[in-house]
Amino acid sequence: DTGVSQDPRHKITKRGQNVTFRCDPISEHNRLYWYRQTLGQGPEFLTYFQNEAQLEKSRLLSDRFSAERPKGSFSTLEIQRTEQGDSAMYLCASRNGVSGKPYNEQFFGPGTRLTVL
Amino acid sequence: SQKIEQNSEALNIQEGKTATLTCNYTNYSPAYLQWYRQDPGRGPVFLLLIRENEKEKRKERLKVTFDTTLKQSLFHITASQPADSATYLCALRNTGGFKTIFGAGTRLFVKA
Repeated sequence: DTGVSQDPRHKITKRGQNVTFRCDPISEHNRLYWYRQTLGQGPEFLTYFQNEAQLEKSRLLSDRFSAERPKGSFSTLEIQRTEQGDSAMYLCASRNGVSGKPYNEQFFGPGTRLTVL
Repeated sequence: SQKIEQNSEALNIQEGKTATLTCNYTNYSPAYLQWYRQDPGRGPVFLLLIRENEKEKRKERLKVTFDTTLKQSLFHITASQPADSATYLCALRNTGGFKTIFGAGTRLFVKA
């Protein structure tokens, strides 16, 4: 257990439905990342938060995807009007932004596996 | 475009031998190169980080080298054990950048 939790662990939905995933990072970590991973591939960067500010978004994050991190604590990732191509593992990771601590190590959660039927 | 290449074929080795995994990259000048381990159905776990001005880093049975001229990193596991069987991911990040790019990973099988 890395200390990063994600909920739910599994989600099955029908095409066209909206889904929302939650990530609770390690409490003192101010940096938070979302990734998407498909079978046989490495994690693909989606978006990055520093505290509550969303500082970078991948071009992969279409307008159907939105992420928030209110108050700089937990984060949510919402996918609207899901498509079968959205089926993947969605991973959250957090990182300590304080110099002198293990600065670059990302701690990953267990992921949410999404299946779109 | 930026690209990371790792051995797509699985690596099979005998227990006790040294496993060597390769990470090559193009169109990128990373400040940091990281290696992660991922077990099936789980998130990646950080193993080692090496900076662009470092040639080699060691941690217990693990060793990473970083050649910015060749644009290559080698990851070694000495005295390998069946418990080392997993997928190993290479990841790159720029200084001041937020985005970390991961390779597809190499699957390692260590036979007893």
